[in-house]
Amino acid sequence: EVQLVESGGGLVQPGRSLRLSCAASGFTFDDYAMHWVRQAPGKGLEWVSGISWHSGSIGYADSVKGRFTISRDNAKNSLYLQMNSLRPEDTALYYCAKDIFLVGGTGSYFDYWGQGTLVTVSS
Amino acid sequence: DIQMTQSPSSLSSSVGDRVTITCRASQSITTFLNWYQQKPGRAPKVLIYAASSLQSGVPSRFSGSGSGTDFTLTISSLQPEDFATYYCQQTHSTPWTFGQGTKVEVK
Repeated sequence: EVQLVESGGGLVQPGRSLRLSCAASGFTFDDYAMHWVRQAPGKGLEWVSGISWHSGSIGYADSVKGRFTISRDNAKNSLYLQMNSLRPEDTALYYCAKDIFLVGGTGSYFDYWGQGTLVTVSS
Repeated sequence: DIQMTQSPSSLSSSVGDRVTITCRASQSITTFLNWYQQKPGRAPKVLIYAASSLQSGVPSRFSGSGSGTDFTLTISSLQPEDFATYYCQQTHSTPWTFGQGTKVEVK
């Protein structure tokens, strides 16, 4: 059974940093691209970042570019999101999602999602 | 970035109704369009990929159509478990973008 379990969320002050983790199991982790998708309270879905199986292809939403860094450790079956210079508008539930492809390019979709970890940015 | 616009934003329907949700892209995305269902407090779940392909395990009452800029998700006979919010997503070009969502409520 595929499982994605996010952790690392919490309450943080504006300008501070936080690192999210996603522990994957039930599939061959290094065969797939992975993504972070967020959802602000009561709002819709926003793709945040994606990373290919070998970390050679990485993408970010404009809203987080230069502040967030996605990474993965295939030996540990884990995905990460380092979030720096956090802003109140980064407050959201952050989901980890599995791509159907190695690289996650055109035509991909997300077939498994975790339950999310909540990040609240407030003073 | 490609903008995705769904209509309506919400709708009220009854069990057994035929429901249609529309998604329009700001430029052609050929058929690189996916549909997700999200229930309150739950993660999204993929229903349709590549505009019209049914994800394994998804009931056949769900169907998708369209190409270019205009797409449709249809639920042929609404069931109690289908009351949820539905999102379209384009994966034609990054950044991948979602529609704002359509909430299907009980009439």
